[in-house]
Amino acid sequence: NAGVTQTPKFQVLKTGQSMTLQCAQDMNHEYMSWYRQDPGMGLRLIHYSVGAGITDQGEVPNGYNVSRSTTEDFPLRLLSAAPSQTSVYFCASSPNGQGNQPQHFGDGTRLSIL
Amino acid sequence: AQSVTQLDSQVPVFEEAPVELRCNYSSSVSVYLFWYVQYPNQGLQLLLKYLSGSTLVKSINGFEAEFNKSQTSFHLRKPSVHISDTAEYFCAVTVTDSWGKLQFGAGTQVVVTP
Repeated sequence: NAGVTQTPKFQVLKTGQSMTLQCAQDMNHEYMSWYRQDPGMGLRLIHYSVGAGITDQGEVPNGYNVSRSTTEDFPLRLLSAAPSQTSVYFCASSPNGQGNQPQHFGDGTRLSIL
Repeated sequence: AQSVTQLDSQVPVFEEAPVELRCNYSSSVSVYLFWYVQYPNQGLQLLLKYLSGSTLVKSINGFEAEFNKSQTSFHLRKPSVHISDTAEYFCAVTVTDSWGKLQFGAGTQVVVTP
């Protein structure tokens, strides 16, 4: 039971570098999303997708890009990393995104920007 | 827009004692309510949810939460905690016609000591 798999688990970047956080799910879920978790702020939605080829912005999208070319994968790209993007990033999925469906979370990627 | 307030950032509790984690939300429309638990270095796991019907919902490991519409609350309780309940607990809300956009509270860290 892989569920939602995130890679890498840890990453350290320098300011200005770019990188892609990977997220894959094997449950054939249509809805996928990215959150960031910061101390004292809970989780905040960055971007989400309701199916392949469809993405939209969440609460804190600035500095991040996403694409959804397949049902399984939903990568998150940092174009030019900034120290404010130091955070723990979680990917989540649910069958079709309806509000009554619980979301399944990956184990997170811990990202530090120096 | 909806919002979620978790009134306690940290709750220390002795093993076998009861615990209550408070959650209040604000929304002008109907909502679904969730409690998620996060163990150290892991992603979030669904603990329980309120969608409709009975206002008292229970989890398989002894937690329960009661939806109170008049007080816009969804407090989480357990009558007797174990060491293994040490974790961070997040209350989350989504409006009933949203695309799974969860709004999270800031989290409550529960520390259970012998």
